[in-house]
Amino acid sequence: NAGVMQNPRHLVRRRGQEARLRCSPMKGHSHVYWYRQLPEEGLKFMVYLQKENIIDESGMPKERFSAEFPKEGPSILRIQQVVRGDSAAYFCASYATESSYNEQFFGPGTRLTVL
Amino acid sequence: QKEVEQNSGPLSVPEGAIASLNCTYSDRGSQSFFWYRQYSGKSPELIMSIYSNGDKEDGRFTAQLNKASQYVSLLIRDSQPSDSATYLCAGDSSYKLIFGSGTRLLVRP
Repeated sequence: NAGVMQNPRHLVRRRGQEARLRCSPMKGHSHVYWYRQLPEEGLKFMVYLQKENIIDESGMPKERFSAEFPKEGPSILRIQQVVRGDSAAYFCASYATESSYNEQFFGPGTRLTVL
Repeated sequence: QKEVEQNSGPLSVPEGAIASLNCTYSDRGSQSFFWYRQYSGKSPELIMSIYSNGDKEDGRFTAQLNKASQYVSLLIRDSQPSDSATYLCAGDSSYKLIFGSGTRLLVRP
């Protein structure tokens, strides 16, 4: 989907470093979701944000993970002090507020590898 | 805990056959259901949405929803090798999507 943009596409970090993942939603979309997909597993919800607001972060690990969606610029998912278990694909999705049915469109993902 | 269940497969069908993928869900409050296709190493691609009981057809794809049985299915007619992928079923729950673990479909030439 050409609309939702994520970068970097691949990110390698050593244990203890920080990872910053960025997501720009489709034009006209102001709702952003982050999902994580561990190897050979399904997608798991992490956090739901609107501009300058965290709506639902019930899927976020309590420590080391944070997310923001500032008034200007992309949404950021930040992982501090990464561990090997953080290695996964992280997907961002967005949807239009005009949609009544929560159709979410995914970006290409960021594949995080922790050495 | 709200869940969406799918058979992991693989489901193997010959080219030209109908592939039938199934999904059950536990959250009776879910109103919208989605099928995503995911090729290996790629991101999920939305292929069907369904909100009402019954069938919804789009090209070779038909989605079926039965809210009383909490059951969603996807039929792919005239399956092609290019349909080989993992199909993810998802239901909305409090404006987030709950995904099943996916069914791997293999279409044999």
